[in-house]
Amino acid sequence: QKEVEQNSGPLSVPEGAIASLNCTYSDRGSQSFFWYRQYSGKSPELIMFIYSNGDKEDGRFTAQLNKASQYVSLLIRDSQPSDSATYLCAVNPAVETGTASKLTFGTGTRLQVTL
Amino acid sequence: ETGVTQTPRHLVMGMTNKKSLKCEQHLGHNAMYWYKQSAKKPLELMFVYNFKEQTENNSVPSRFSPECPNSSHLFLHLHTLQPEDSALYLCASSQPPSSPLHFGNGTRLTVT
Repeated sequence: QKEVEQNSGPLSVPEGAIASLNCTYSDRGSQSFFWYRQYSGKSPELIMFIYSNGDKEDGRFTAQLNKASQYVSLLIRDSQPSDSATYLCAVNPAVETGTASKLTFGTGTRLQVTL
Repeated sequence: ETGVTQTPRHLVMGMTNKKSLKCEQHLGHNAMYWYKQSAKKPLELMFVYNFKEQTENNSVPSRFSPECPNSSHLFLHLHTLQPEDSALYLCASSQPPSSPLHFGNGTRLTVT
C-alpha cells in the first residue's frame, strides 16, 4: 500500500511568520511531488511541484525534497490570512513515457494564519 | 473557456436515480481522471483515461460507470448509488507522463 502521510493539523501561525508543512511517502521509487492548496468547499489548486532533491522557490513558496529520507516539505514565507487553507501533498510513482499520472494524496494539513 | 469545467456543481439524487457527471477540459491534455473526496479521507483515484483508453479502475463499484468519448470530455454515469457515495467528485486532466493534475471545480453529490 503506497502511502502519503501528513499531519492533519490545524497548524496555526501568526501573520508574517513562516509556515512549514511536511509530508512523508512510502514508495521509494516516487519521481514527482506536488503541493496543492484547497480552500473549504473548493477544488485543489496546484501550488508547487518538484522533481529533484533540494529546494525549489516560487515567490513566497519553497518546496524541499529529500528522496533519501522520503520527505517533502512546503515553506510559506510571510504567511497571510489568505493562505489559510488545507495543503495537500501528492506523490507520483515512477512512470513510463506516455503513461498517465497516478497521484497518491495525503489527507492534507489545515493551516490557519492568525492576525 | 479555459481549464477544466465540471457540471453540475451540485447534485442531489435518490438511491434509485440515474444521473451523469460531465467534465470538459480545454488544456489540450491527453489524460483525464475521476477522483472522489470524502470528509477526513485523502483523495481517492477512481478512474484514469490516457488517450481515451481506460488505464486504471481502482476497484470502483460497478454503480459508477465512466465514459471518455474523446480526450477533452469525460463522464461519470451513476446508478443505484448508496448514501455513503455522497462526496465531492473531482475531474482532473494532465499531459502524460508526469505533468501536474489540473482539477475542475467538482460536483458535490448527495445521495438520499
